[in-house]
Formats: sequence, C-alpha cells, structure tokens
Amino acid sequence: AQTVTQSQPEMSVQEAETVTLSCTYDTSESNYYLFWYKQPPSRQMILVIRQEAYKQQNATENRFSVNFQKAAKSFSLKISDSQLGDTAMYFCAFWPRLKETSGSRLTFGEGTQLTVNP
Amino acid sequence: KAGVTQTPRYLIKTRGQQVTLSCSPISGHRSVSWYQQTPGQGLQFLFEYFSETQRNKGNFPGRFSGRQFSNSRSEMNVSTLELGDSALYLCASRESRDNYEQYFGPGTRLTVT
Repeated sequence: AQTVTQSQPEMSVQEAETVTLSCTYDTSESNYYLFWYKQPPSRQMILVIRQEAYKQQNATENRFSVNFQKAAKSFSLKISDSQLGDTAMYFCAFWPRLKETSGSRLTFGEGTQLTVNP
Repeated sequence: KAGVTQTPRYLIKTRGQQVTLSCSPISGHRSVSWYQQTPGQGLQFLFEYFSETQRNKGNFPGRFSGRQFSNSRSEMNVSTLELGDSALYLCASRESRDNYEQYFGPGTRLTVT
C-alpha cells in the first residue's frame, strides 16, 4: 500500500512571493506518477502538474515547478510569483503504474491550505 | 471539450434512504472513477469503471455501488444512507487505462440528515 504525507496543514504567502509545499510518499513500486492538484473554494479539483517517476527532469508548468527526489521519496511544489487566485487546498497524489489487470488508483495526501495575501 | 459534469450538485437525504449520483466524463474518456471527500477521512477512492466493468474498488461497504453505461456515463448508488455518508462525491475521468491524468468534475455535495 502507498501512503502520501503532507506535513504542512496550512501555509500563507504574500502576493508575488514564492512558496514551496512539501510532500513525501512511501511505496515499494518503482514505476509511478506523482501529481499536484489544487482545490479552490469552488471545490473543483484541478490538475496542476504531474511527474513521471522514470524522468529525472523536474516538471514545470508556467509558475509551478516540482522538486522530485526519488531516493528520498519527496515531491515538493514550488509556486513562483504567487497570485491571489492561487489560494486553494493543494493535494499531492500518487498513482502506481501497475499491470493492466491489477488496477490502480490515486492516493491523496491530507492537503495543504495555501492562502495568498495581498 | 466540455469538462466532467456531475448531477445533482447538491443533495439532501434522510438516513435510510438511497441516492443515485450521475457523472458524465469528458468526451472520448472511457474510464470513470469515484472518490469520497470528507473533512475527517480526506479523499478516498471508491471505485473505477472502464468499458462498463468495475476494474478497481476501494475499501467501502457494499452499500456503495456503481455502474457505467455504454456511452461511458457513470452512476454511483448509496443505499441505506448513514449520517457518515455526508460528503463531497467527486467523479474523475481519464482517456484510457494507460493514461494516468485524471480530470475531476465539480462534485456532488450529499448531506444526510
């Protein structure tokens, strides 16, 4: 079984500054995907960024980037130039790439509530 | 393309009743998964359907069931509702079982009184 841990229940940042959200995971799988989702007050879950475990290069999507440390089983999200619209709950999620017949599912962390202050 | 849609958005039911929630995936997506989100338990996987067959199931009692139709639309049913079933139920779709990006709907907020 996989577990995902987000040790920061709440964080705040000033507009235009940079913030990093932490995530660690535990798995015996060697092939998997990692995701960051954001859930704003509307409750709509939005995919922010994904990382494939076999890729050493860290994923980047505009102002969002990750620091993927496979050996340490760490997957942090960095948000640059924070905007008010970034205020949301952020979830780290793990998805093992299993055989077709085995089935697999997303396992989520507890979430980090990020507030961007003007 | 239109996103994942879920109906209804809000629902109030009484203990003991049953409820059916509906999810229409993104056009072309064949896999639909359901998740339950509560303040205490967080996000938990319920089940996944692909090609009208349940492919994976989470650790929920048999009162939770689902199905998928030939057009990939999915329904989730909860029978004999309990107060603890009050939650946000999220549906997510993905294009195929080899594609690991899931896109979520807005959710159905179920309140059991």
